[in-house]
Amino acid sequence: GAGVSQSPSNKVTEKGKDVELRCDPISGHTALYWYRQSLGQGLEFLIYFQGNSAPDKSGLPSDRFSAERTGGSVSTLTIQRTQQEDSAVYLCASSSQGVTEAFFGQGTRLTVV
Amino acid sequence: DAKTTQPTSMDCAEGRAANLPCNHSTISGNEYVYWYRQIHSQGPQYIIHGLKNNETNEMASLIITEDRKSSTLILPHATLRDTAVYYCIVSDPAAGNKLTFGGGTRVLVKP
Repeated sequence: GAGVSQSPSNKVTEKGKDVELRCDPISGHTALYWYRQSLGQGLEFLIYFQGNSAPDKSGLPSDRFSAERTGGSVSTLTIQRTQQEDSAVYLCASSSQGVTEAFFGQGTRLTVV
Repeated sequence: DAKTTQPTSMDCAEGRAANLPCNHSTISGNEYVYWYRQIHSQGPQYIIHGLKNNETNEMASLIITEDRKSSTLILPHATLRDTAVYYCIVSDPAAGNKLTFGGGTRVLVKP
């Protein structure tokens, strides 16, 4: 694809349910980032994958959040037992190795009701 | 990661240059300065980056002070479509190039 693709674009879920958010990075990009943006707020770093290195999970807010990246390509962010405070836009970005720009997807808007 | 400090907001007149300052006084020698912007309801968009030399591309110019403790993003002829939140980030590509966004500057271009 031409850019970073995220799906679904919108997700409404009931409190307590699990959700999975998908990110398809640009082909060949070794780095993949997940961010969260609550309404009117800045971007909150969640997790970062770089090649075969161990992911940087320092931004995950609780153990209900996890992410994996299969085959160095597609990534899935999973939120278990969703809470209303999880409502936000979840953004994914990818970049190639070195001093390069990161390309962002359009995000998944998650609403927990 | 080194932190950055930016003004919360600023206004700019359409057609005039917009000068956006960023302070990164604790930047390390290997860290680059990156600028991104986020237009309402869209994902962030890369603008420009630099290490110590001034840089220019089709979108903007980046002026980095000699001591590298601060920089200025210049939009030479602001248009209404440049209204966005502008983020200044410092990151070391050799250390993984993790991008940590601060609060940014909310720029409003007025006609």
